[in-house]
Amino acid sequence: QKEVEQDPGPLSVPEGAIVSLNCTYSNSAFQYFMWYRQYSRKGPELLMYTYSSGNKEDGRFTAQVDKSSKYISLFIRDSQPSDSATYLCAMKDSRNRDDKIIFGKGTRLHILP
Amino acid sequence: DVKVTQSSRYLVKRTGEKVFLECVQDMDHENMFWYRQDPGLGLRLIYFSYDVKMKEKGDIPEGYSVSREKKERFSLILESASTNQTSMYLCASSLSTSGTDTQYFGPGTRLTVL
Repeated sequence: QKEVEQDPGPLSVPEGAIVSLNCTYSNSAFQYFMWYRQYSRKGPELLMYTYSSGNKEDGRFTAQVDKSSKYISLFIRDSQPSDSATYLCAMKDSRNRDDKIIFGKGTRLHILP
Repeated sequence: DVKVTQSSRYLVKRTGEKVFLECVQDMDHENMFWYRQDPGLGLRLIYFSYDVKMKEKGDIPEGYSVSREKKERFSLILESASTNQTSMYLCASSLSTSGTDTQYFGPGTRLTVL
């Protein structure tokens, strides 16, 4: 079983819809969870991060962590064409500095005008 | 704002050439990383460094070496480029406090080896 699983998509939704992006993971020691957004031919940029379980909201974006199910989500409300990008989840066991960040392979998202 | 810059956006080299990819960060971060990103394979860690003159192998170090002579600069070296090293190369840096070191990425270098 891979450490982090993420559906590669592509996911196409109409403008204004709510988008749900998800990752599952197998390592119960992960405590620090991140979402990166990557536009075509650019480097990933950090979108949001959360520590342990719960929700975190930032504008139109909400990150959700369910450690009991080993499942994380990113919700995008009122989606815009500018949200079209690849979204990578990432996670880490934050207790040890030598632990590497584990990235999902990314989900390609297309917002249709 | 954290700024991570990479020396080239696009690079074309020939098989057997020695290739240098440079990365500079301006936020006094201790940690620096080199990844390659390929379709279907995601991000794969090549090498990383937690301090000047220090380096650690990542998941796919074969065919690569690195150099960190100054804190802000981390170089990736392809000793003898091969076609299977055609890829997008991404540099990242992070500030080391506890283990929660979020990584900030550069714009990437798309390398083609002919």
